[in-house]
Amino acid sequence: KAGVTQTPRYLIKTRGQQVTLSCSPISGHRSVSWYQQTPGQGLQFLFEYFSETQRNKGNFPGRFSGRQFSNSRSEMNVSTLELGDSALYLCASSTPDSTGGGYTFGSGTRLTVV
Amino acid sequence: AQTVTQSQPEMSVQEAETVTLSCTYDTSESDYYLFWYKQPPSRQMILVIRQEAYKQQNATENRFSVNFQKAAKSFSLKISDSQLGDAAMYFCAYRRRSGNTPLVFGKGTRLSVIA
Repeated sequence: KAGVTQTPRYLIKTRGQQVTLSCSPISGHRSVSWYQQTPGQGLQFLFEYFSETQRNKGNFPGRFSGRQFSNSRSEMNVSTLELGDSALYLCASSTPDSTGGGYTFGSGTRLTVV
Repeated sequence: AQTVTQSQPEMSVQEAETVTLSCTYDTSESDYYLFWYKQPPSRQMILVIRQEAYKQQNATENRFSVNFQKAAKSFSLKISDSQLGDAAMYFCAYRRRSGNTPLVFGKGTRLSVIA
């Protein structure tokens, strides 16, 4: 059974640009969550999508957005990149009822903003 | 708001020895999940062990076990017979059982295993 797949693994962007990250969940998982991981702030929740609807959102500016497609694949977009957006972005998927409460994570996308 | 605190930024253990990682959390909820995740250099967060708050029995997964003290809001991870492959960042996480709420993570503990 394939795991959670995130692409690309590495990305270098310039300030002011925008970026799109992709996440393919485990087959059958309809919930996809995104987290930002930085050395200073640790792991912070960005948003969660379930059946193409955002059902939870963290405390991030509107530059951060996401969406989910009918096949449960999700993308997140960051517009007008800032240096502080440099981070590891992790995607996690879970079963519809989040049985057991846990998530399966991908290996992340390392975004560097220069 | 729920918070998770890991007071040990770094720990080290000799191979084959036992180490305990500490975690405390703050919540007003009575029904929730607690987790320990491992993040090796490959970056993927791997679930190590899960505890359901309404279960008094401490969870165990092979060499990994927890000491769950609900009243004290403490959730420590014990790794027995430490192996070189256990070296990683370990994150304690909390999630309320109801309401589709996200995971709340601690800052992590970096574990080194010395051969």
